[in-house]
Amino acid sequence: SQQGEEDPQALSIQEGENATMNCSYKTSINNLQWYRQNSGRGLVHLILIRSNEREKHSGRLRVTLDTSKKSSSLLITASRAADTASYFCATDGQAAGNKLTFGGGTRVLVKP
Amino acid sequence: GAGVSQSPSNKVTEKGKDVELRCDPISGHTALYWYRQSLGQGLEFLIYFQGNSAPDKSGLPSDRFSAERTGGSVSTLTIQRTQQEDSAVYLCASSQTVGELFFGEGSRLTVL
Repeated sequence: SQQGEEDPQALSIQEGENATMNCSYKTSINNLQWYRQNSGRGLVHLILIRSNEREKHSGRLRVTLDTSKKSSSLLITASRAADTASYFCATDGQAAGNKLTFGGGTRVLVKP
Repeated sequence: GAGVSQSPSNKVTEKGKDVELRCDPISGHTALYWYRQSLGQGLEFLIYFQGNSAPDKSGLPSDRFSAERTGGSVSTLTIQRTQQEDSAVYLCASSQTVGELFFGEGSRLTVL
């Protein structure tokens, strides 16, 4: 079973707009990560946030973590057509044997 | 090669045949994962190797699936008596202990 679940499943926006997607998980975590996948092949790591952190930035990406609500959000600001991809959250925690498990992903389409 | 290498990139086989998928992780990475991804879906965890510890096989869907990691490096995922529902992209990833995963480009398996 998957630990993280992303919301929405799909998102369509215009270039220049912001894209926000959320991830909820069920059990306590050590870290939460976000990955991007283009064209159904390998995933690329975007950002890692530790359980004792609340917010992290990387370029146009902003990630928040609320451990009390067991949720995280990924914000992509000033989106570009090249941001079109699927985005996945992944968590690791003791309950899952410290292995990394992924959610179902959010498919983002950025229209030029 | 600096990245994770998987072979073959594409495999078409007949129902009932056995297949082997290979993963060459990044040198020095102690953790190695196999995931399965069906079209448009999330990543389904299969198996996790961490150093010399016993592998976490909790995600293997049936006893037709097995994996080994020789010498703490190369890993082979074997599917015996393939079924049509085994058709998917099989993704391998490696990391240094806990943290960012580096993914290969995947092996696309089609069972006719």
